[in-house]
Amino acid sequence: DIQMTQSPSSLSASVGDRVTITCRASQSISSYLNWYQQKPGKAPKLLITAASSLQSGVPSRFSGSGSGTDFTLTISSLQPEDFATYYCQQSYSALLTFGGGTKVEIK
Amino acid sequence: QVQLQESGPGLVKPSETLSLTCIVSGGSVSSGSHYWSWIRQPPGKGLEWIGYIYYSGNTNYNPSLKSRVTISLDTFKNQFSLRLSSVTAADTALYYCARSGSYDYAFDIWGQGTMVTVSS
Repeated sequence: DIQMTQSPSSLSASVGDRVTITCRASQSISSYLNWYQQKPGKAPKLLITAASSLQSGVPSRFSGSGSGTDFTLTISSLQPEDFATYYCQQSYSALLTFGGGTKVEIK
Repeated sequence: QVQLQESGPGLVKPSETLSLTCIVSGGSVSSGSHYWSWIRQPPGKGLEWIGYIYYSGNTNYNPSLKSRVTISLDTFKNQFSLRLSSVTAADTALYYCARSGSYDYAFDIWGQGTMVTVSS
């Protein structure tokens, strides 16, 4: 299994802050990395595919980068609607796995 | 646009079989461009992929659940289903059905989720 480790598990930030979330794979996954946002009581929403490709309709303040084992999700200027839990997911191996999540809370 | 809707019992007894269905509207499960998955999320925890089925009937399951899982497709009803046998309290979770692309395996469409509790 490819293990996906996210850090931090939670963070507190203010509106307007730049936020970076890290996802590390236990082995190289090339760029087969996707990011999701989940708000309480809602299904996850796909934000980014292939490590850096923004899904249609997702605000440009979201960006993704990385390849191999280390990836980041950046929110350039945190907005009130961005407070949520974020998950990474690898699609390199046949066993699809998610990171444990990063909860972004209001400071 | 494509929408997914899960349905099934919200309460299952230990050792019995959990059965859920995902109805697909606005699209076809016979599309060769997508896989159809089940994903679950225990209360307050993260996401676990259970498995997927392709229009051809080919399946791929999470090895941790493989001995207990069956995912099937009904192209006439445009839906797919999950059966999970010999359930325990550890199977209590919010169960989602989701669509992924056949190239990137990214889950772009999700159902709203259905809560299943395993309890006597």
